[in-house]
Amino acid sequence: DTGVSQNPRHKITKRGQNVTFRCDPISEHNRLYWYRQTLGQGPEFLTYFQNEAQLEKSRLLSDRFSAERPKGSFSTLEIQRTEQGDSAMYLCASSLRGSWKETQYFGPGTRLLVL
Amino acid sequence: GEDVEQSLFLSVREGDSSVINCTYTDSSSTYLYWYKQEPGAGLQLLTYIFSNMDMKQDQRLTVLLNKKDKHLSLRIADTQTGDSAIYFCAETLGAAGNKLTFGGGTRVLVKP
Repeated sequence: DTGVSQNPRHKITKRGQNVTFRCDPISEHNRLYWYRQTLGQGPEFLTYFQNEAQLEKSRLLSDRFSAERPKGSFSTLEIQRTEQGDSAMYLCASSLRGSWKETQYFGPGTRLLVL
Repeated sequence: GEDVEQSLFLSVREGDSSVINCTYTDSSSTYLYWYKQEPGAGLQLLTYIFSNMDMKQDQRLTVLLNKKDKHLSLRIADTQTGDSAIYFCAETLGAAGNKLTFGGGTRVLVKP
C-alpha cells in the first residue's frame, strides 16, 4: 500500500494558462475525491468519482474545471484559463466503497500558484 | 445547511492535555472525523466517531460527541511537540463515503 500520490507537488503558472494535476489513489479504492484548500481555510469539496463515474460536483467547480477518471484508476483535474483566485492546494483522497466506515485517505496535495 | 466551526488557535505546554472543540449545524451528520495537517502536507486521519456514539478513546486521543448541542471535541493527553499542527474536524452526511465538510482548522502550538 503506497498511499495516495499526487503530481506535481507544486505548480507555478501564469494567468490564462491551462494546468493539469494527476492523482493516483490507493490501488483497491474505488472512490476518488478532489478538494481545494486555500490558505488558512479547511478543504472544500470539489467532486468525486465512484469507479469512472463522476457522482457529484460542487458549485465551486466552474466551467473552467474538469475532472476525469477514465479507467476508474487515476484521475486528472484540469483548470483552463487559470485565474489568480485558483491559487490553492488541490487535495485528492480515495476510499473503498463498501468497506466499513469508508475512510477517506488523503494525498500530499498539489500546490498551485497563479501569477 | 452544512457549517462546521472551530476555534482558530490553541497554545498548550508540553505534557499537558489539549482540548480542541468543534461545532456543527447539520443534525443528519453520520460520521465525524478529526484530521491532522502538518505544514505543507496533506491530511492525516487521526480518529472518527459514529453519530450514535458519545465517546471514543484511541491511545492518547479521546473524542467526545454531544449530539444535542452538536458539539465535538478532541482531547490529546500528554501533548508532545510533535502534536503541533492544524487539526480539522469534518463531518459526512448520510452514507459513509460521501463528501466531507471541514471546519476551518485549529492551529495547535505546543510549547516546551
